[in-house]
Amino acid sequence: EDQVTQSPEALRLQEGESSSLNCSYTVSGLRGLFWYRQDPGKGPEFLFTLYSAGEEKEKERLKATLTKKESFLHITAPKPEDSATYLCAVPIYQTGANNLFFGTGTRLTVIP
Amino acid sequence: DSGVTQTPKHLITATGQRVTLRCSPRSGDLSVYWYQQSLDQGLQFLIQYYNGEERAKGNILERFSAQQFPDLHSELNLSSLELGDSALYFCASSVGSGVGQPQHFGDGTRLSIL
Repeated sequence: EDQVTQSPEALRLQEGESSSLNCSYTVSGLRGLFWYRQDPGKGPEFLFTLYSAGEEKEKERLKATLTKKESFLHITAPKPEDSATYLCAVPIYQTGANNLFFGTGTRLTVIP
Repeated sequence: DSGVTQTPKHLITATGQRVTLRCSPRSGDLSVYWYQQSLDQGLQFLIQYYNGEERAKGNILERFSAQQFPDLHSELNLSSLELGDSALYFCASSVGSGVGQPQHFGDGTRLSIL
């Protein structure tokens, strides 16, 4: 059965303390892995798409990497404004469709 | 701002009622997706439309239906509402329907059933 598992569920960091979030997946035939950021009361905000093992993408203090079994979202020297829930998702392939299966997210809190 | 507009932002109604949620996709996007987010279930895919046609169904109840109009906006209709339908309902859009295309989300409609 296709599955996406994120860990940890919650993470508290001091400002400037770097760390990584994990997204493990078991899908038959990965067709992309997506990272989103969600602030309270808002919709998920698209961050990255990774398509193949070994691929890396960066945006400001965030760097996403992908292996054959998992993806990491590395946060370097985080700031309080990085506090949010980070979601990963994979497409569950159906003929002609592109619907996403989401993990339950990691709730990140960065303390000043 | 993702460019996806959802109305209304909040909706409060009673059990047994019917409501309609509206979504305008980003300019140029032909695919629209509906998701439900509740505290215990996370984000769950409901249904996808591409250029007016239904493309995929997820865990959508028979009491729920959707459509996409010629101007590409979409509506999600929820009927015979139950307490358990209280949730955030998100719309997302993408340029095409191909697998692996990024989806961009609106800020959702918060539905509260009393």
